[in-house]
Amino acid sequence: DIQMTQSPSTLSASVGDRVTITCRASQRISSWLAWYQQKPGKAPKLLIYKASSLESGVPSRLSGSGSGTDFTLTISSLQPDDFATYFCQQYNSYPWTFGQGTKVEIK
Amino acid sequence: QVQLQESGPGLVKPSETLSLTCTVSGGSVSSGNSYWSWIRQPPGKGLEWIGYIYYTGSTNYNPSLKSRVTISVDTSKNQFSLKLTSVTAADTAVYFCARSEGGSYLVTDYWGQGTLVTVSS
Repeated sequence: DIQMTQSPSTLSASVGDRVTITCRASQRISSWLAWYQQKPGKAPKLLIYKASSLESGVPSRLSGSGSGTDFTLTISSLQPDDFATYFCQQYNSYPWTFGQGTKVEIK
Repeated sequence: QVQLQESGPGLVKPSETLSLTCTVSGGSVSSGNSYWSWIRQPPGKGLEWIGYIYYTGSTNYNPSLKSRVTISVDTSKNQFSLKLTSVTAADTAVYFCARSEGGSYLVTDYWGQGTLVTVSS
C-alpha cells in the first residue's frame, strides 16, 4: 500500500496567516492526489483534485501543488471558516490511502 | 447536488455482522461515471478506504478487508450497502459512504456525514 504522510499534524495560526500543509507519498503517484476539509460531524469536503485543480465553489485562497511524491496545500490568507482538519488522499493505485490529517487551530 | 446519507445500527456485537445502507439523493446510483464507496475512520485515527461498487455490481475492495466485506447496490431504491462480517472492537469507527467519479482515476467528490458504529457486547 502507498503510505501518505502529512505534516504537521497540528497547526496553530491566526486569521490572515498563510499556511502550508504537506503530504508525502511513499511511492510516486503522478498527480493523483486530492485534498479534503473535514469539520466535526460534517461530511468531508473535496477541495483540490489532481493535485492542483480547485473544486468548483472552493475559494481561490486555497491552492494545491506538487507531483510525484511531494504535495502541498496552501491557504493564502486563513479565514475563520478554514479552521478544520485537512487530509490528503492518493487515488493513483489501489487500495486508496489517506494521510492522517492536519488540524488547523486558532492561535 | 448529490447527497448521501448513511443508516444502520450504531451498536454491533463482536463476531456479528455490521450492516449499513447509504441512500443517495440528487443523483442516481446508475450514473455511468459514478462509483459508490465506503470509507471508515476509527476514533482518533486516519481514514481507511473499504471498497466501492459500480451500478452493474462490479466491486473493488481493500485487500485488508476483502475477506469480510460485501458491498451491494439496489438501483431501484437508489441505495448501496455495506456488510462487514465477524466484527471486532477494531471495527469501531465512523463509516462514511461516498461517490467517486472519473475515468481511469476516480476522485471522491461527495461524502455522507458518517455514522458511528461501535462494536461492543
